Amino acid sequence: GAVVSQHPSRVICKSGTSVKIECRSLDFQATTMFWYRQFPKQSLMLMATSNEGSKATYEQGVEKDKFLINHASLTLSTLTVTSAHPEDSSFYICSVPGLWVYNEQFFGPGTRLTVL
Amino acid sequence: AQTVTQSQPEMSVQEAETVTLSCTYDTSESDYYLFWYKQPPSRQMILVIRQEAYKQQNATENRFSVNFQKAAKSFSLKISDSQLGDAAMYFCAYRADTGTASKLTFGTGTRLQVTL
Repeated sequence: GAVVSQHPSRVICKSGTSVKIECRSLDFQATTMFWYRQFPKQSLMLMATSNEGSKATYEQGVEKDKFLINHASLTLSTLTVTSAHPEDSSFYICSVPGLWVYNEQFFGPGTRLTVL
Repeated sequence: AQTVTQSQPEMSVQEAETVTLSCTYDTSESDYYLFWYKQPPSRQMILVIRQEAYKQQNATENRFSVNFQKAAKSFSLKISDSQLGDAAMYFCAYRADTGTASKLTFGTGTRLQVTL
């Protein structure tokens, strides 16, 4: 399967600061990437679809100005949590769809964000 | 909108025994894909098995098999000869057949414990 990396794996920041999380597709180019959020003992909730060369598509209820997504290249998408608050503390996971329609999505290892 | 339901928050199985995890979904589409993902304590999402809706034959992958009932919109996962390494969260997921950029919809997950 494809290899997807995320950086950093863990980050702790103070309330009010911004944090950037990177997602890289290491095996193939990806015009689309997905960003999920997972609270403890809960399922993955899709936040947004990152589109290379165009604006991200956000799910209902996700604040666009708070969670900035930039699909800078065909192998890199970034999620910036702006003016982070303790309620933004969560596990953030990105995924890359496979090359073929029957493929699964390939997931990154996730980033644990803790906002103090 | 598509929904995925996993009615078993937790399941337990003895080592070497067989366990079945339940999943139902709701969709008006005729073509779609269903997946079971495993999330161990490392939180890395791992594909367990995939089923294409147009295929009548149930998918199998070594000790893992599914019982896909399209009319009933049911997609259960059977794990045979359970091993300690099978202990994890298991998520059922649905994806419409609208291209590689189509979104995954996850169920709430089932935590599987494997006992000696």
